Amino acid sequence: QVQVVESGGGVVQTGRSLRLSCAASGFTFSNYAMHWVRQAPGKGLEWVAVIWYHGGNEKYADSVKGRFTISRDNSKNSLNLQMNNLRVDDTAVYYCARDSVPYSFSGWFDSWGQGTLVTVSS
Amino acid sequence: NFLLTQPHSVSQSPGKTISISCTRSSGSIASNYVQWYQQRPGSAPTPVIYEHHQRPSGVPYRVSGSVDRSSNSASLTISGLETADEGDYYCQSYDGSNWVFGGGTKLIVL
Repeated sequence: QVQVVESGGGVVQTGRSLRLSCAASGFTFSNYAMHWVRQAPGKGLEWVAVIWYHGGNEKYADSVKGRFTISRDNSKNSLNLQMNNLRVDDTAVYYCARDSVPYSFSGWFDSWGQGTLVTVSS
Repeated sequence: NFLLTQPHSVSQSPGKTISISCTRSSGSIASNYVQWYQQRPGSAPTPVIYEHHQRPSGVPYRVSGSVDRSSNSASLTISGLETADEGDYYCQSYDGSNWVFGGGTKLIVL
């Protein structure tokens, strides 16, 4: 079955960096665009970033553009999110999510991981 | 960018029917598909409706989605409410450039 598992969360001070990872299994990872979506404590969902299935293109939310970098290694079925210059308002659970159709964007996310918590303290 | 606005919370008794609205601020609600996700406490979101009214495998028929052009809103309707339906529900849409979520609605079944 489709499974994505995030890791790498933790507590970090403002201005520092953190790298999240997502391990995928149960599907042909290289065929699907992958997203990061985050949820601040007690708040709603916010889309963060997407990477095309081939890894050649990325797109970011304005709130993280220039600070976060999404990447993937299709040979290892892994997705990453490098987060630099972290701010207090980046505190959230970060979810890895699969786009629902291969080789394109469907506009929605059919499989989600359980998330990893990032806490940025001042 | 557009916004999706949802009521903060809705409550109803078991066995009854509820509808949760999702109103788009600009552009037509029908021009881009709307999805709905359920999030139970402490769990990840899971899709319950995609492409306005399609149900993913395993989602019961008592869960349905619709779009109303006159109010520029999408709706999620759940009939025969069960306590297991409690949780937060988020609408979401993609306009070809941005993935946008509504603020979420807490469903209380009491």
